[in-house]
Amino acid sequence: AQSVTQLGSHVSVSEGALVLLRCNYSSSVPPYLFWYVQYPNQGLQLLLKYTTGATLVKGINGFEAEFKKSETSFHLTKPSAHMSDAAEYFCAVTLSGGSYIPTFGRGTSLIVHP
Amino acid sequence: KAGVTQTPRYLIKTRGQQVTLSCSPISGHRSVSWYQQTPGQGLQFLFEYFSETQRNKGNFPGRFSGRQFSNSRSEMNVSTLELGDSALYLCASSLVGTDSGNTIYFGEGSWLTVV
Repeated sequence: AQSVTQLGSHVSVSEGALVLLRCNYSSSVPPYLFWYVQYPNQGLQLLLKYTTGATLVKGINGFEAEFKKSETSFHLTKPSAHMSDAAEYFCAVTLSGGSYIPTFGRGTSLIVHP
Repeated sequence: KAGVTQTPRYLIKTRGQQVTLSCSPISGHRSVSWYQQTPGQGLQFLFEYFSETQRNKGNFPGRFSGRQFSNSRSEMNVSTLELGDSALYLCASSLVGTDSGNTIYFGEGSWLTVV
């Protein structure tokens, strides 16, 4: 079975600072990895996903993530935080050739200070 | 095109009552799944429907049930409501659903408060 761990339930950054949200996964087969964002009172929206190919994935709103198999990680980054990035971020995993129902991490709340 | 639509957005129910939530998927999407989101448990998978058949089920009691209609619209029902059922219920749809790299699209959710 697969699992996802998001380190830090809350991350606080200043506007303009680097954003780093951590995600580690556990799976016995090649994973497919996703980052979703949830703004207040809204559903989840896909930011980016990794399936195969290039390990550095670029998403919407300037976010990107790098799949590192040796570290079983898929951390989300953005060079410069904006106030509008304040939201809940979820990492999720499915399994190539296996379960296509995503397993979600517990989420990380990003707080952006002016 | 229109996204996933969930109704109602907000509702308050009394313990012991039942509730039905509705979800209209994106046009052409045939897979509909439901999730429960709470601060304590995060996002938990309830069940998934495809072509009017439940294809996957999470670890929830039988009080939680669902169905899908021929037009892919889906409903979920919770009977004998408990205080712990208070949550945001999210519906998500995808084209077919069996591709692990498939993107699922979420609705805005239905906020259920049980008092």
